[in-house]
Amino acid sequence: AQKVTQAQTEISVVEKEDVTLDCVYETRDTTYYLFWYKQPPSGELVFLIRRNSFDEQNEISGRYSWNFQKSTSSFNFTITASQVVDSAVYFCALSVEDSGAGSYQLTFGKGTKLSVIP
Amino acid sequence: DGGITQSPKYLFRKEGQNVTLSCEQNLNHDAMYWYRQDPGQGLRLIYYSQIVNDFQKGDIAEGYSVSREKKESFPLTVTSAQKNPTAFYLCASSLTSGGLSEQYFGPGTRLTVT
Repeated sequence: AQKVTQAQTEISVVEKEDVTLDCVYETRDTTYYLFWYKQPPSGELVFLIRRNSFDEQNEISGRYSWNFQKSTSSFNFTITASQVVDSAVYFCALSVEDSGAGSYQLTFGKGTKLSVIP
Repeated sequence: DGGITQSPKYLFRKEGQNVTLSCEQNLNHDAMYWYRQDPGQGLRLIYYSQIVNDFQKGDIAEGYSVSREKKESFPLTVTSAQKNPTAFYLCASSLTSGGLSEQYFGPGTRLTVT
């Protein structure tokens, strides 16, 4: 069975501070995909990034960066110089193949609520 | 504008009534999904559909039903058999049901049953 753990339930930072959101996953599959989504107060989830299990390169997109380490089964997300608009719930998710149906299903962590204080 | 529409945003029902939540997409995506979100919880998969006229149960399908008669539409019915239906319901779609396809989400419907 697949599992995603986001140990940090809530984090508060002051604007311009850096913050790292942790994500640890469990799967026996060798092929899988990892995702991060942002859920602002409006409720709609916004896709941020996808990583496949064979690509451990870290990625940077503006103030966002992601660190994928298979050795520790972690896919952490760092926001540099945080802004008030970054306040949201962030979900990490794992996608593996449902062997019976031939499709991929997402397993979500419980999310980390980030509050950026001006 | 391409996207996913869910209506209504807020829905109130009396216990014992069935209620249908709407989900429409104009992204030409093959796969569609329904998730349930409870406070402080992640999203849990209710049903998904890889193509028209086909759908499979997710992790928490009991008390729910779906149909997929058109590519664009994937309505979810919350039946009176669902013991705890009050929740935030999110619909999503993806180009395919393969792992590379990220899911795009609608704005959600908040259902309250009293």
